[in-house]
Amino acid sequence: SQELEQSPQSLIVQEGKNLTINCTSSKTLYGLYWYKQKYGEGLIFLMMLQKGGEEKSHEKITAKLDEKKQQSSLHITASQPSHAGIYLCGADRIADSWGKLQFGAGTQVVVTP
Amino acid sequence: DAGITQSPRHKVTETGTPVTLRCHQTENHRYMYWYRQDPGHGLRLIHYSYGVKDTDKGEVSDGYSVSRSKTEDFLLTLESATSSQTSVYFCAISPTDAGNTIYFGEGSWLTVV
Repeated sequence: SQELEQSPQSLIVQEGKNLTINCTSSKTLYGLYWYKQKYGEGLIFLMMLQKGGEEKSHEKITAKLDEKKQQSSLHITASQPSHAGIYLCGADRIADSWGKLQFGAGTQVVVTP
Repeated sequence: DAGITQSPRHKVTETGTPVTLRCHQTENHRYMYWYRQDPGHGLRLIHYSYGVKDTDKGEVSDGYSVSRSKTEDFLLTLESATSSQTSVYFCAISPTDAGNTIYFGEGSWLTVV
């Protein structure tokens, strides 16, 4: 079973529109990773958040970790076809177990013209 | 590219045969991981290594063994493959255990018939 809940499971967004994906846990997250995956391919690292309230941005993608470190969001501004894919959140669930990630089920993003 | 090579990339094998997947890295990173990805279960950790000859079990280690005789190579062995081990296997690497970026390989598609 997935202990990291991702929502929505899938979404269709028109090119140029914004989108947000959420990743929620009932327990504290000690490291939160966002990856993008295209079908049949590997995972591309996007961002990693550690501190409560932390926010990072890269190009048009912004990720935030809430103060309680139990929820993260990934926001894409002005989506493009290149943003299509499956977005995965992964997290360290134990303080001294870095890298042994648990993952959410993923959010499939489709960008339409 | 994170300097990770997985081999073979695709393999079909028969039930009961041994299979070894290889992960080779050129980054000299200390930590290496094997995950499997399945529909409905997402990515799950099989085994990991925190140094040469230092390995430990992950969430779904039954039926798998690993070895790391050199920093750059992490081998995953299915001693006697079963149909339930049909999956996509991903290797990942990380430089330290302190919340650093974790990079994934391209994946190895294994079908057990």
